[in-house]
Amino acid sequence: QKEVEQDPGPLSVPEGAIVSLNCTYSNSAFQYFMWYRQYSRKGPELLMYTYSSGNKEDGRFTAQVDKSSKYISLFIRDSQPSDSATYLCATPRSSARQLTFGSGTQLTVLP
Amino acid sequence: GAVVSQHPSRVICKSGTSVKIECRSLDFQATTMFWYRQFPKQSLMLMATSNEGSKATYEQGVEKDKFLINHASLTLSTLTVTSAHPEDSSFYICSASSAGSTDTQYFGPGTRLTVL
Repeated sequence: QKEVEQDPGPLSVPEGAIVSLNCTYSNSAFQYFMWYRQYSRKGPELLMYTYSSGNKEDGRFTAQVDKSSKYISLFIRDSQPSDSATYLCATPRSSARQLTFGSGTQLTVLP
Repeated sequence: GAVVSQHPSRVICKSGTSVKIECRSLDFQATTMFWYRQFPKQSLMLMATSNEGSKATYEQGVEKDKFLINHASLTLSTLTVTSAHPEDSSFYICSASSAGSTDTQYFGPGTRLTVL
């Protein structure tokens, strides 16, 4: 079993839709969670960083963590074509700061 | 802030040659740098972790004699792919973190390596 599982998609939605991206993880010791956005042929860009259970909001993006079910989500409201990218969830593996990534979900927002 | 650059962005080389990729943290001191490899439509695969002034720690299955990593300063790490072969063609991405940012990594834009 992978430490972090993510539905690879691809996911295609119309402009303005609410997008839900999800990951599950297996190790209850994981404390921090990140969402990265990666445009084609570019390096990942940090979008959200969460620690505790609950919601964290930043503009159109909301990150949600449910530690009881080991489930993390990223919601995008009023999605735009510029949101078309691959979204990766990640969590630090250990004190060595190494990140374990999900496989990434490819999102396309159609104009 | 927290900008990481990579050079070159794209390189094409002949089989058997060596290629050096530079990763620089432009506005912070990177105590730890990471090198990843990414195949098309796949996630990032960690190759090695390097701390400034120390030898790199390689992930299982990554040949340390083939992928030489140097982290000689707090703002620069290099990855040298020695005796490159077509199967080494990939997208190589570095990331950096500072002592004060715990687990946050900032990624470079990546280097596309094509070995003919």
